Amino acid sequence: QITLKESGPTLVKPTETLTLTCTFSGFSLSTNGEGVGWIRQPPGKALEWLALTYWIGDKRYSPSLRSRLTITKDTSKNQVVLTMTNMDPVDTATYYCAHTQVNGYSGYDFDYWGQGTLVTVSS
Amino acid sequence: DLQMTQSPSTLSASVGDRVTITCRASQSLSSWLAWYQQKPGKAPKLLIYKASSLQSGVPSRFSGSASGTEFTLTISSLQPDDFATYYCQQYHSFGQGTKLEIK
Repeated sequence: QITLKESGPTLVKPTETLTLTCTFSGFSLSTNGEGVGWIRQPPGKALEWLALTYWIGDKRYSPSLRSRLTITKDTSKNQVVLTMTNMDPVDTATYYCAHTQVNGYSGYDFDYWGQGTLVTVSS
Repeated sequence: DLQMTQSPSTLSASVGDRVTITCRASQSLSSWLAWYQQKPGKAPKLLIYKASSLQSGVPSRFSGSASGTEFTLTISSLQPDDFATYYCQQYHSFGQGTKLEIK
């Protein structure tokens, strides 16, 4: 079965760069149609879509956060890494990674999610 | 930029009620719309994709429909387990969420 798990720092300082790793199993990012994305959710607020990477190397970014985000994949390790620069207290949120696929789905719908990791931005 | 406007933000209902949540897209892009259910402290769960396709394992009391840029999620007969927050998503945009509360 497909599982995903987020890892990274729980606390970062303002202006620092956040690096989060999603480690997954049950599928391969070298397989046609597969993708992994990142979504975040500030405490008590709505979901916000961040970024996606696909098996073919194609990447998608949130238009409003594009300049601060980088998503990369390491197919051999079954990992996807998200970096977000210039962190601010408003970036405090639970960050989720999730699985998507383009075969039968839009390629943006997330059918499996990690448990999420809370990142707090504070000095 | 694509925006998804979801309504209502809060909905109070009773077990057995039929409820409808609406999501409107700012642009007419496609019928690729997904609905999620989220419970406190948990990751969202995919309910509906491509506006009306039921995700595997999701009860048939959940259904989705589309008309132009307006999408609806309907729960035909509310069960205790259905009280949660619901989100729509189209491409890189999520709605603001609808909290379904017990009346």
